[in-house]
Amino acid sequence: EVQLLESGGGLVQPGGSLRLSCAASGITFSSYAMNWVRQAPGKGLEWVSGISGGGDSTCYANSVRGRFTISRDNSKNTLYLQMHSLRAEDTAIYYCAKDSTIPRLIDYWGQGSLVTVSS
Amino acid sequence: EIVLTQSPDTLSLSPGERATLSCRASQSVSSYLAWYQQKPGQAPRLLIYDASNRAAGIPGRFSGSGSGTDFTLTISSLEPEDFAVYYCHQRSNWPPTFGQGTKVEI
Repeated sequence: EVQLLESGGGLVQPGGSLRLSCAASGITFSSYAMNWVRQAPGKGLEWVSGISGGGDSTCYANSVRGRFTISRDNSKNTLYLQMHSLRAEDTAIYYCAKDSTIPRLIDYWGQGSLVTVSS
Repeated sequence: EIVLTQSPDTLSLSPGERATLSCRASQSVSSYLAWYQQKPGQAPRLLIYDASNRAAGIPGRFSGSGSGTDFTLTISSLEPEDFAVYYCHQRSNWPPTFGQGTKVEI
């Protein structure tokens, strides 16, 4: 059974930093590209960032490029999202999401980690 | 970026009724469109991929159709557990984008 478990969310002040983690199990982690997708309170879904299975290729939404960094440690089956210069509009549930064997098709999601940016 | 517009925003139906949800893309996404279901407090779940293929474990009452810019998700006979928010999602062009969602309510 695929399990994706996010951690690291919380309350942070504007301009602050936070690192999210996503521990994967039930899959050969390095075989799959991974993503972060966020959902602001009461709003829809927004893709944030993606990384290839080997970690050598990354991409970002324009809204976070230059502030967020996605990375992975395949030896620990863990995905990360380092967030800097956080803004109020970054407040959201952040979901870790796994690509299927079909490129860029998300087939499994974690339960999410809430990030609140507020003073 | 490709904008996906879903309609209606809310669909009020009863169990046993047929639900028809629409997703329109601002430019062609070929057949690279997926549908997800999200219940309150839960993560999204993949229902349909590549416009018309049901994901593993998805009941046959869910079906998808369309190509290019116009897509439809049909739930042939609503079960109580189907009342949720449904999102369409395109992976044809970067960045991947989602529609704003359609809420199916009783």
